[in-house]
Amino acid sequence: DTGVSQNPRHKITKRGQNVTFRCDPISEHNRLYWYRQTLGQGPEFLTYFQNEAQLEKSRLLSDRFSAERPKGSFSTLEIQRTEQGDSAMYLCASSFQGPVNTGELFFGEGSRLTVL
Amino acid sequence: AQSVSQHNHHVILSEAASLELGCNYSYGGTVNLFWYVQYPGQHLQLLLKYFSGDPLVKGIKGFEAEFIKSKFSFNLRKPSVQWSDTAEYFCAAINNDMRFGAGTRLTVKP
Repeated sequence: DTGVSQNPRHKITKRGQNVTFRCDPISEHNRLYWYRQTLGQGPEFLTYFQNEAQLEKSRLLSDRFSAERPKGSFSTLEIQRTEQGDSAMYLCASSFQGPVNTGELFFGEGSRLTVL
Repeated sequence: AQSVSQHNHHVILSEAASLELGCNYSYGGTVNLFWYVQYPGQHLQLLLKYFSGDPLVKGIKGFEAEFIKSKFSFNLRKPSVQWSDTAEYFCAAINNDMRFGAGTRLTVKP
């Protein structure tokens, strides 16, 4: 399977714990995006990377959230001191941005976080 | 602020009925527009996209969308829906980051 892969698929944690999600994008894609989706809502943009550079972060992303893409390939999203309001599906997507930009995002299956 | 809005939260249709889902965007400058679909329990998949050229774009499964620049709209249409079209539909716009609308849940009754 050469699509976007995310793990873990489901994480249950207690309030106050830290969690980390990993995303492996499609290999030739230089852009990687993180979104959060709650029931009945569209994906909310969190942040995106062009190669290893984090180009934009949403104001929704509190200081407890940090994302990295150290080598321009896989990315991690860490949430520190989780709160119940962090319970959501965290989606990763990747795309190729080039001179002739297609812009299409390819999504992973998502990582569902449940904070008790 | 850049945003995408979808007018309908939940649409219920009978099979063979025609579908139109509204989408408006507020972006300055060049914007690429998309419709994504999310079937129950599955990940988001691209239905169709508009970058330039013919404002009427055709996608998979008989869907099409029309870009009307003067109205900042990109409505999704299908002449005759099927039960298998039951899903959540998201309009999205990309400038640098991609923003999504809140989604429209479509239920097609057999």
